[in-house]
Amino acid sequence: AQTVTQSQPEMSVQEAETVTLSCTYDTSENNYYLFWYKQPPSRQMILVIRQEAYKQQNATENRFSVNFQKAAKSFSLKISDSQLGDTAMYFCAFMKHGATDSWGKLQFGAGTQVVVTP
Amino acid sequence: GAVVSQHPSWVICKSGTSVKIECRSLDFQATTMFWYRQFPKQSLMLMATSNEGSKATYEQGVEKDKFLINHASLTLSTLTVTSAHPEDSSFYICSATLGGYPDTQYFGPGTRLTVL
Repeated sequence: AQTVTQSQPEMSVQEAETVTLSCTYDTSENNYYLFWYKQPPSRQMILVIRQEAYKQQNATENRFSVNFQKAAKSFSLKISDSQLGDTAMYFCAFMKHGATDSWGKLQFGAGTQVVVTP
Repeated sequence: GAVVSQHPSWVICKSGTSVKIECRSLDFQATTMFWYRQFPKQSLMLMATSNEGSKATYEQGVEKDKFLINHASLTLSTLTVTSAHPEDSSFYICSATLGGYPDTQYFGPGTRLTVL
């Protein structure tokens, strides 16, 4: 079974600053997907960024970028130029690739609450 | 982008009654939908996988007879909480995916269930 660990329950950052959220996972799979989802106070889950394990290049989406270290099983998220609207719970998630018994199943970490202050 | 709706957004029911939650994909056909449960300040826990036209598959520890799932069409999956108890109070979230693209899931806005 896969486990996803987010060791930071809460992070505070000032506007325009940078914050990095950590995520580690445990798997014996070689091919998989990793995700960061954002859940603001509205509780709507929003995909922030996605990484395919076979791709060595780190994914980026505007102010969001990841540091994917496959050997270390680490997948951290960096939020640059933080904005008040980034205040949310951030979940790291793992999904097997191609497995029929786990098709589409997301395994979420415990989450990190990010608070952006003025 | 693709939109998934849930209805109702908030429901209060008495203990012992049943409540149905709908999950609809509004502008695409969802061959597979997933149901999650989220307790306050906790993560999402997958409850079951719902495939159109077939029986749902439940995660270990989830009571099939309590949480009835029906995926009657390519745009609708329903979760019925039967004989609800206060401990069933939670936030229920569905997600929907296109066939062949499991890594692209669209989440509904969630349904808050309170059982008195």
